[in-house]
Amino acid sequence: EVQLVESGGGLVQPGGSLRLSCAASGFTFSDSAMYWVRQAPGKGLESVSAISENGDITFYANSVKGRFSISRDNTRNTMSLQMGSLTAEDMAVYYCARRPRGYLCGLDVWGQGTTVTVSS
Amino acid sequence: EIVLTQSPATLSLSPGERATLSCRASQSVSSYLAWYLQKPGQAPRLLIYDASNRATGIPARFSGSGSGTDFTLTISSLEPEDFAVYYCQHRRSWPYTFGQGTQLEIK
Repeated sequence: EVQLVESGGGLVQPGGSLRLSCAASGFTFSDSAMYWVRQAPGKGLESVSAISENGDITFYANSVKGRFSISRDNTRNTMSLQMGSLTAEDMAVYYCARRPRGYLCGLDVWGQGTTVTVSS
Repeated sequence: EIVLTQSPATLSLSPGERATLSCRASQSVSSYLAWYLQKPGQAPRLLIYDASNRATGIPARFSGSGSGTDFTLTISSLEPEDFAVYYCQHRRSWPYTFGQGTQLEIK
């Protein structure tokens, strides 16, 4: 079964750090670009970060640039998002998702999401 | 940043009716556009990729069309499970933004 499973969310104080992980299974991980998409409570979807198939190209939303770092390990089929200097604006459900090779646009597999709460 | 504007914000229809959702880009995204459906408490689900291709397992009542700046998602005959929020997303240039969503509700 093709699957993505996020972990690492939780409660963190403002200014704190958190590391999210995404474990992939059931497909050739190195064939897919990977994304982090977040959704604040009651809001729409926001592309947070993306990484190319071999990890040499990364993107960040302006709102997280300099604070978040995306990485992947194709030998372990995992992707991570290191988040720092967290604020209330970062509070959201964070999804990892894949864009398969050959798709111009479309994230066809999503994880169930992991919730990040920023509060003192 | 390319802005995607979805209309209408809310669409009230009955099962069996035809739904037409619009997504307009602030500049051309060619065919780099996807449509998603999201139900409460669930992750988004890909419906259409590359503007007009149905994703795996998506029923034929869903179709996508358009290129450049104007795109349409059509649901030919609404089923009860289709009532949810729909998003479009582009991948023309980073950031790969989403539209604000269209809420499809039962009339």
